[in-house]
Amino acid sequence: GDSVTQMEGPVTLSEEACLTINCTYTATGYPSLFWYVQYPGEGLQLLLKATKADDKGSNKGFEATYRKETTSFHLEKGSVQVSDSAVYFCALEKAQKLVFGQGTRLTINP
Amino acid sequence: KAGVTQTPRYLIKTRGQQVTLSCSPISGHRSVSWYQQTPGQGLQFLFEYFSETQRNKGNFPGRFSGRQFSNSRSEMNVSTLELGDSALYLCASSLVGGQFREKLFFGSGTQLSVL
Repeated sequence: GDSVTQMEGPVTLSEEACLTINCTYTATGYPSLFWYVQYPGEGLQLLLKATKADDKGSNKGFEATYRKETTSFHLEKGSVQVSDSAVYFCALEKAQKLVFGQGTRLTINP
Repeated sequence: KAGVTQTPRYLIKTRGQQVTLSCSPISGHRSVSWYQQTPGQGLQFLFEYFSETQRNKGNFPGRFSGRQFSNSRSEMNVSTLELGDSALYLCASSLVGGQFREKLFFGSGTQLSVL
């Protein structure tokens, strides 16, 4: 069945470090891909999305490119901030519902 | 514009009881989806309602049910609670749903603990 695999966390970085959170998917066809972020005590917020191959989603300094050949949608940021500390979820849309990865907890130390 | 509101925020129940959770979507949104979040299983889709009709359903037992009212507010019910039902239940709303080219807005969730 359709599934999403994310790199296991937790991930701890220092402020201004580079971030990559790996995400690969298994699905038939070409699903839309998403990154959601969950801050402590809150619900999920859409961070960025891509709906077709080679699309690049971007928001708040984060970027992810839909790579059909490697079935990946890795999340990247060039310089992280303490406020980026949260849990990040990669997801795909299939049959009108979201399939999420397990989530990656990110902690940024000042 | 108010966001998605879920009540109650926390709930403690015992095995065998039933529970009802409520979700008020953003004004004007007609689609409401429910997700279960647990440390072991992650986020899993429960069901989606649109215009008072269940439009999509995940792989959960019949103990999990829901409904949507004419004002788009939705309730989720879990009967005969089990320990494994302890989870954060998230509700999400969107204008018409079903295609994800529009933005999905999540509530803060209801944390259910089953003792």
